[in-house]
Amino acid sequence: AQSVTQPDIHITVSEGASLELRCNYSYGATPYLFWYVQSPGQGLQLLLKYFSGDTLVQGIKGFEAEFKRSQSSFNLRKPSVHWSDAAEYFCAVAALPAGSQGNLIFGKGTKLSVKP
Amino acid sequence: ETGVTQTPRHLVMGMTNKKSLKCEQHLGHNAMYWYKQSAKKPLELMFVYNFKEQTENNSVPSRFSPECPNSSHLFLHLHTLQPEDSALYLCASSQDRDRRSPLHFGNGTRLTVT
Repeated sequence: AQSVTQPDIHITVSEGASLELRCNYSYGATPYLFWYVQSPGQGLQLLLKYFSGDTLVQGIKGFEAEFKRSQSSFNLRKPSVHWSDAAEYFCAVAALPAGSQGNLIFGKGTKLSVKP
Repeated sequence: ETGVTQTPRHLVMGMTNKKSLKCEQHLGHNAMYWYKQSAKKPLELMFVYNFKEQTENNSVPSRFSPECPNSSHLFLHLHTLQPEDSALYLCASSQDRDRRSPLHFGNGTRLTVT
């Protein structure tokens, strides 16, 4: 069965430090992968997506993610975190076929706190 | 502007009340979704509509009743809810049901059932 695992429930980093959020997926074919961010009191916003091609994808707000097929991973990175990045981050894989899971299967999320 | 607007932002209702959540999307999308987001749980898909037709109902209790009068509007009618139904209810839309179509979310309705 398809699944997405975000092993870190909560991460705290200092402002200006680098960030890496982990995401592992279980999928039998080439996955379509997404990262979403949810700021407090808001809905989810798409950060970036990967369908094919270059395995390093750039997104909004200075985020990037790297697809590694051998590790079934799609980790999100940012070289220098800003206080406004404090939010919850969700990794998702497109369901195959789109059905009872809707279009996407979401991980449980990683909450990011930023220390001044 | 999010492109997907949900009202109200907050709702407190008693277990015997009837209320409705409203979602409107201005993106020209054909598919719309209701999700439930509870603390410490993954996002739960409730209903999917494609071209106004309901295509998925994930064993949602009948006290939740969706309505999609057109591709731009989606409602969730609520009646005789339980305290465990308290959650953030998110509406989303996508261009279509293609797996590559990203979801666009509204800011949600925070529902509290007393």
